[in-house]
Amino acid sequence: NAGVMQNPRHLVRRRGQEARLRCSPMKGHSHVYWYRQLPEEGLKFMVYLQKENIIDESGMPKERFSAEFPKEGPSILRIQQVVRGDSAAYFCASSPPRGQNTGELFFGEGSRLTVL
Amino acid sequence: AQTVTQSQPEMSVQEAETVTLSCTYDTSENNYYLFWYKQPPSRQMILVIRQEAYKQQNATENRFSVNFQKAAKSFSLKISDSQLGDTAMYFCAFAKGDGAGGTSYGKLTFGQGTILTVHP
Repeated sequence: NAGVMQNPRHLVRRRGQEARLRCSPMKGHSHVYWYRQLPEEGLKFMVYLQKENIIDESGMPKERFSAEFPKEGPSILRIQQVVRGDSAAYFCASSPPRGQNTGELFFGEGSRLTVL
Repeated sequence: AQTVTQSQPEMSVQEAETVTLSCTYDTSENNYYLFWYKQPPSRQMILVIRQEAYKQQNATENRFSVNFQKAAKSFSLKISDSQLGDTAMYFCAFAKGDGAGGTSYGKLTFGQGTILTVHP
């Protein structure tokens, strides 16, 4: 049973470019979460999605950031016009449907974005 | 809003000894869950242990146990018989209950982390 898969593992972008990070949840999981980890800090919640729905985006910056989880395919975190402050590790996590959820999140290995 | 505080940026312990990592939190919620996650150098976060706030009994998982003091809003992690593979960053985390049968919402609030080094 494959875990949460994220790609790319490492992404380098120049200021002003776009970054797209992908996440495939664990099989059977319908909830996806994106977290950001700045150097020497804990993870900060960004967004919570179910298939075709954004449930909670309270942690997402209002501009340049967007996320989706389409009916088919992986969840995508998109950062437009990247700036140096966007350099961080972005973690995706998934959990089973409500009712099967013990509260544990299953994390991917993260995508490290470096903005030059 | 919830806050989680880990006051120990770094800890070290000798192999086979016991170490305790501290965590305090602040919330006005009654229904919530607390977690300790481990992030080894490979960076993948792994759940170590989980505690439901409504349970008075402290959770244990093999060599890992917690001391949950609800009134004091304290949630420390004790690692017994430390092993080299325990070397990692440890994060304390909080999640609100979703009010539907006790399962929690996956929006976690993390502490700043404690780097634990186990020495041979």
